[in-house]
Amino acid sequence: GAGVSQSPSNKVTEKGKDVELRCDPISGHTALYWYRQSLGQGLEFLIYFQGNSAPDKSGLPSDRFSAERTGGSVSTLTIQRTQQEDSAVYLCASSLDLLGPLNTGELFFGEGSRLTVL
Amino acid sequence: GQNIDQPTEMTATEGAIVQINCTYQTSGFNGLFWYQQHAGEAPTFLSYNVLDGLEEKGRFSSFLSRSKGYSYLLLKELQMKDSASYLCAVRDSNYQLIWGAGTKLIIKP
Repeated sequence: GAGVSQSPSNKVTEKGKDVELRCDPISGHTALYWYRQSLGQGLEFLIYFQGNSAPDKSGLPSDRFSAERTGGSVSTLTIQRTQQEDSAVYLCASSLDLLGPLNTGELFFGEGSRLTVL
Repeated sequence: GQNIDQPTEMTATEGAIVQINCTYQTSGFNGLFWYQQHAGEAPTFLSYNVLDGLEEKGRFSSFLSRSKGYSYLLLKELQMKDSASYLCAVRDSNYQLIWGAGTKLIIKP
């Protein structure tokens, strides 16, 4: 597609259940980011994938969170044993990540997946 | 540590001009971004500064002073649709993005 696609757009789950959130980046974008945003708050970095390099997982809040990116394209963020504090909008973004005079490395965001843990 | 500071909220009048400031302390600098985020929507790219000076794009301009660790976003001829949050982000020496908490801009008629 033309933009970053995320699914589901809304997810309501019960505490303790596992959830999977999917991100389909813009074709050709080598960099992929996951962020979390609580209501009225800024962006909280979770994880960053760049090509075939090892992902930067420094933002993952606990070992209940994991993410993978298969074939350098689609990414899945998995949250195990969800807690109420996991409720937030999970945003995915991609970029070319090729710095140069014609490319700023700007991020293109998906519409997000709103997670509500009851 | 690294941090980005911007005002939490600002109010301005339709048709007026508003300046949103951003100061940063980061490990190195490889560019500064401004994004706009309407309530319930994803952030969208507004501007990018890597050299000192002013970048103008229509009603929006962004200024950077690397020596002062300072940027501002200037919005002219404000319209009601400009009501949104404005996010400042800096790319550090490791090419990681450090994000501010955003400035909520309220436009009044």
